Amino acid sequence: DIQMTQSPSSLSASVGDRVTITCRASQSISSYLNWYQQRPGKAPQLLIYAASSLQSGVPSRFSGSGSGTDFTLTISCLQPEDFASYYCQQSDNTPYTFGQGTKLEIK
Amino acid sequence: QITLKESGPMQVKPTQTLTLTCSFSGFSLITSGVGVAWIRQPPGKALEWVALIHSNDDKRYSPSLKSRLSITKDTSKNQVVLTMANMDPADTATYYCAHMYGSGLYGMDVWGQGTTVTVSS
Repeated sequence: DIQMTQSPSSLSASVGDRVTITCRASQSISSYLNWYQQRPGKAPQLLIYAASSLQSGVPSRFSGSGSGTDFTLTISCLQPEDFASYYCQQSDNTPYTFGQGTKLEIK
Repeated sequence: QITLKESGPMQVKPTQTLTLTCSFSGFSLITSGVGVAWIRQPPGKALEWVALIHSNDDKRYSPSLKSRLSITKDTSKNQVVLTMANMDPADTATYYCAHMYGSGLYGMDVWGQGTTVTVSS
């Protein structure tokens, strides 16, 4: 299995801040990397697919970059609704493993 | 508009078999390149990918669960069924189904609301 390692596991920030979450794959996954947001009690929602493509309807303050083994999710100007958990997932080879998640909290 | 909805028992006993149904609309599992995946999430923990079935009937399973899993599709009913044998309290989780297209490149773009399953005697 491909292991996905996210950091940090938790993050405190303020409205308006710029934050970055990183994800590292245990082997190259090309650009088969997706990012999801999950609010408490809700299903995950796709934010970014193919490492850097913004899913339809997702605000442009979200962006993704990277290829191979190292990836980042950046939120450029935090809004109140962005405080949630974030997961990376590789979809290069099954099992399509997830990272352990990053919980973004209000400072 | 694509929608998915999971259904199944809220509680099962240890050693029993769990059967979950994902009912969907807005797409067909006859269409080439389409898939439906199952993902689960134990309380307070991370997401775990469980299984996937493609429109060509290619089936993939989590290696750690493979011996206990079966995934099937009924294209006439627009349903995907996941069965998990020999349930254990560690399988207590919210189970989601999700739509996929394009062999993973486009991620899991639409998810169901999830169904919570508790394994307890």
